[in-house]
Amino acid sequence: AQSVTQLGSHVSVSEGALVLLRCNYSSSVPPYLFWYVQYPNQGLQLLLKYTTGATLVKGINGFEAEFKKSETSFHLTKPSAHMSDAAEYFCAVSAQAAGNKLTFGGGTRVLVKP
Amino acid sequence: NAGVTQTPKFQVLKTGQSMTLQCAQDMNHEYMSWYRQDPGMGLRLIHYSVGAGITDQGEVPNGYNVSRSTTEDFPLRLLSAAPSQTSVYFCASSYLTGASPQAFFGQGTRLTVV
Repeated sequence: AQSVTQLGSHVSVSEGALVLLRCNYSSSVPPYLFWYVQYPNQGLQLLLKYTTGATLVKGINGFEAEFKKSETSFHLTKPSAHMSDAAEYFCAVSAQAAGNKLTFGGGTRVLVKP
Repeated sequence: NAGVTQTPKFQVLKTGQSMTLQCAQDMNHEYMSWYRQDPGMGLRLIHYSVGAGITDQGEVPNGYNVSRSTTEDFPLRLLSAAPSQTSVYFCASSYLTGASPQAFFGQGTRLTVV
């Protein structure tokens, strides 16, 4: 069985400040990890993914995440927030490399203050 | 390139009514799935399919039915709508295997059951 916990359902950051979204997972098999972003009234868009290899993963829009097996974490960061980063972010885990059958966290809504 | 198309975008049903949410993809993906999104709970898997003629239950299948007669289409049927089925529904598709795993999501169907 798999589960994902995202700490903080809402995060408020100032424009230009660091964005840090926390994700912890549990998985009985080696996990494949994903971050998705959802803009208002839209579907989900893939930000980045960890499957194998390098544990620091770079994604779109300046986001990156680091897979830490010992901490069972996959936190998402962006050095400098932009107003366009206001959205809801979902961490997800899959037991399948193709990213099927995803288990999602509860989501974190990011508000960016000018 | 349309990707994953869901219809309708919005729907209001009365308790006890039935309806079908449509999902079509044009990427020749083997895997298709339906999720429901509820506040604070992320997305939860309802049903999924690994190919035409093959479907299986996800985490929250009760009250929903699916079939997959073609690779492209994966409709979700609500047999007798209940207020607890008020939610936003997302269809997703992906390859079963591959070097670049990613699930592609539709724009969602917002369903209200009164």
